[in-house]
Amino acid sequence: SQQGEEDPQALSIQEGENATMNCSYKTSINNLQWYRQNSGRGLVHLILIRSNEREKHSGRLRVTLDTSKKSSSLLITASRAADTASYFCATETEVRLGRRALTFGSGTRLQVQP
Amino acid sequence: DGGITQSPKYLFRKEGQNVTLSCEQNLNHDAMYWYRQDPGQGLRLIYYSQIVNDFQKGDIAEGYSVSREKKESFPLTVTSAQKNPTAFYLCASSYGTFNGYTFGSGTRLTVV
Repeated sequence: SQQGEEDPQALSIQEGENATMNCSYKTSINNLQWYRQNSGRGLVHLILIRSNEREKHSGRLRVTLDTSKKSSSLLITASRAADTASYFCATETEVRLGRRALTFGSGTRLQVQP
Repeated sequence: DGGITQSPKYLFRKEGQNVTLSCEQNLNHDAMYWYRQDPGQGLRLIYYSQIVNDFQKGDIAEGYSVSREKKESFPLTVTSAQKNPTAFYLCASSYGTFNGYTFGSGTRLTVV
C-alpha cells in the first residue's frame, strides 16, 4: 500500500528559485526520509527526520515534519539544473515486531530550467 | 568502496520462465529489501529480511520468492506466477533505526 501522497506530482521552476514538495502519510512512524531518483537510476538518500523532530537542515535542503497533521515538506533552496530529478518521501515504520521497512509516496518530478 | 550491486542491469524474460535477480552488499548491513517500481510511480515493498535466514512478505509478494542464506546476499526470483513482472526492481539495505537506506542501481525486467 502507498503510505503517502505527494504534492505536487510535477513541478517546473527556473534556476535559482526555491522548490517545495509536500508529503502526507497515514500511520505513526519511526522517521521520515526523502530520496532523490534520477531517471532510470537507483534512489539516493537525502535527509532523515525523526518523529520527535520538527525541522532539519542539510546544505540547501530543509525538511519539516508535523506529526499532528501527518505531513512533511522538503524545500530545496537556490535550485540548480542538476537538481532535476524525482523526489520521494518515505516513512519508516515497524512492519512487524523488530522489523522495519520504508513505505514510499508517489513522488514529485522536479524540472529545473536553466 | 562499500555499496550494493544489482545484476543484471537489464533482463528479458519469456512467458512462463522463472528469473533470478541478484543483490549483493558489502556494507555489513543486517536488513535488506526488494522494491518494485512501475513507470511514474513510487516504490512498493516485495520482501524484506532483517537477519540471515529470516525474511517476510511485503505488500506485493505474490509471484516472487527470496532467500537470505548469507548476510551479503538477498536474491529475488520472479516466478511464472507473477502475471505482470515488467518493472524496475530495486534492492536496498539498512542498519539501525535512524539511518538512511542504501539502494542499488536497479534491474529493469521486461517480459518478451
